[in-house]
Amino acid sequence: KQEVTQIPAALSVPEGENLVLNCSFTDSAIYNLQWFRQDPGKGLTSLLLIQSSQREQTSGRLNASLDKSSGRSTLYIAASQPGDSATYLCAPAASGNTGKLIFGQGTTLQVKP
Amino acid sequence: DTAVSQTPKYLVTQMGNDKSIKCEQNLGHDTMYWYKQDSKKFLKIMFSYNNKELIINETVPNRFSPKSPDKAHLNLHINSLELGDSAVYFCASSHPGERITDTQYFGPGTRLTVL
Repeated sequence: KQEVTQIPAALSVPEGENLVLNCSFTDSAIYNLQWFRQDPGKGLTSLLLIQSSQREQTSGRLNASLDKSSGRSTLYIAASQPGDSATYLCAPAASGNTGKLIFGQGTTLQVKP
Repeated sequence: DTAVSQTPKYLVTQMGNDKSIKCEQNLGHDTMYWYKQDSKKFLKIMFSYNNKELIINETVPNRFSPKSPDKAHLNLHINSLELGDSAVYFCASSHPGERITDTQYFGPGTRLTVL
């Protein structure tokens, strides 16, 4: 059974800092891995998707890496801004291309002006 | 245009009632999902449908019955509501198998409160 752990659970930083959010998963047989952000009271917004054959993906100030064999992914946020404040969720997809995502409990980020 | 929409946004009801939540996507995806986010913010998949066919059913009580009238819609009907059903329910869609569109797109959520 896939279990996903995200560390830290919460993070508060001043604006401008570079951040690393960590995600670990117990079953390395994944199809892909997605990072989402969730704003309070809102739905999830997909940030990055890494296929199981890829090592990293980049979008603007965001970079996600994947080390499937060790069951780890990191989300790197460069030059953080107050608008980055949200909960960040890591979700590896089960192998077999069913689209089944297993979510971690998230890292809640607060970026202070 | 909203890609994945859900109605209603809020639903407050009494224990024992039957209620439905509707979901529609206009992305042309052929796979849709229902997720439940509990009070501790833990998000867990409940069901998924591909081309109106059930492909994932995650040990959900049979009081929950998804219904997919067509590829663009996946509704969730809940019978005999219980206090523990209170949660936020999210609908999502994707197009598995095509690399660019593996991404799952989520609706805004329906907050269900059972009194």
